[in-house]
This record gives sequence, C-alpha cells and structure tokens, in this order.
Amino acid sequence: IQLTQSPSSLSASVGDRVTITCRASQGISSYLAWYQQKPGKAPKLLIYAASTLQSGVPSRFSGSGSGTDFTLTISSLQPEDFATYYCQQLNSYLSFGPGTKVDIK
Amino acid sequence: EVQLVQSGAEVKKPGESLKISCKGSGYSFTSYWIGWVRQMPGKGLEWMGIIYPGDSDTRYSPSFQGQVTISADKSISTAYLQWSSLKASDTAMYYCARQGQWLDFDYWGQGTLVTVSS
Repeated sequence: IQLTQSPSSLSASVGDRVTITCRASQGISSYLAWYQQKPGKAPKLLIYAASTLQSGVPSRFSGSGSGTDFTLTISSLQPEDFATYYCQQLNSYLSFGPGTKVDIK
Repeated sequence: EVQLVQSGAEVKKPGESLKISCKGSGYSFTSYWIGWVRQMPGKGLEWMGIIYPGDSDTRYSPSFQGQVTISADKSISTAYLQWSSLKASDTAMYYCARQGQWLDFDYWGQGTLVTVSS
C-alpha cells in the first residue's frame, strides 16, 4: 500500500489553521496514524486509528478520514508545531507517507 | 514509565557486521511488538520490520527482507537489528518503536546513528 501526502511542504504563521492530507493507494479502513518529528528527535505519535488523539497531545491536533483519504488538522499553529508530519498506514506492512514539512512563513 | 533505550552510535567500514540493540522497560516486553524504522540522512521514515518478543515471530518489509535480521532476547527485554555485511547505503538513523494496541508506534527509542564509511 502506497501513501502520498500533500502538500510536501508548507509555510504558515502562528495562529494559522493547517491541513495536511494523506491518501492511500487502497482502502485501509481507519488504520492510519500521524506522527510529528522535529529535527534530531524521534517521531512522536499524535493520532491513531485515524482520529483518536494520543494521550498528552494538545487538542488543537485532530485527525479525520477513513478508507483512502485522511486529514491531519492543526487548528491554531503554535511555535512548537513547526516540524515534519508523517502518516503511516497500519493495514499492511506499516508503510509511512513521504512527510510534510511545516515551516515558518 | 515506558522506555526504549537504544545502543550508541556506530562507525563501521563496508563489509563489516553490526548488531544494534533496543532495551525496553516499564511494560511487559513480551506482550508488544517492537518495530525498526530507518531514516536516511535528510529523508523520510521507512518501516523495516517487527518482532513479537513473546515468541520471536518476525515480519519484514519486502524492501528489507534478506538485508537485515531482527531478533529479540526476552530474558533481558532487548530487541536487535543486525547486518552481516554493511554497505555505505546503510548509513542512517535507526529507531526502534513499540507497536501499540492499534498497531501504531506509541513509544520510540532515541535512535542509533550508523555510519558506514571506508
């Protein structure tokens, strides 16, 4: 199963609403997770089962979708949110998307 | 507190062998799959494979099958990733991660940087 993410990068300002899309090459039900990775750090789980917020993750992060189309939304971008975001399908072979880099406008 | 602690950075020559480790603590090590993820310099995340320490059941990504070996020693709560003959293209950061109940990776090690250079 192949995953694509769009956009591959974006520039945004603090307070902006940011939406990242992940598309699977075949249906994966809700078997999708989202991760945040900052430079030099291990990835951090944000969302699992497509829309469930991991414990301790701020509520400004949300996930939606099922089947082949999924979305990660940050409702009001904060300075600590500038990072690269990856989706991962959990249906077969656990592949990751190519990533979306969010940087400061 | 769940922790995965990985072994330190390695510098190796092409053709050498290597085994890196990932020690779990704070949870039942034999009850959760452990996965390995590669990140080449400046690139994205690649899932390599997973192992269930309880019975050593192992699954590999087709991209890594035959290239690496994943193993575990449940008596010391440690998973391993090994190479028999390293290549320069194996230069990367390698992460271990625990697979949660929804199959996501909920806890991650700090990463092990492997550099292969002549």
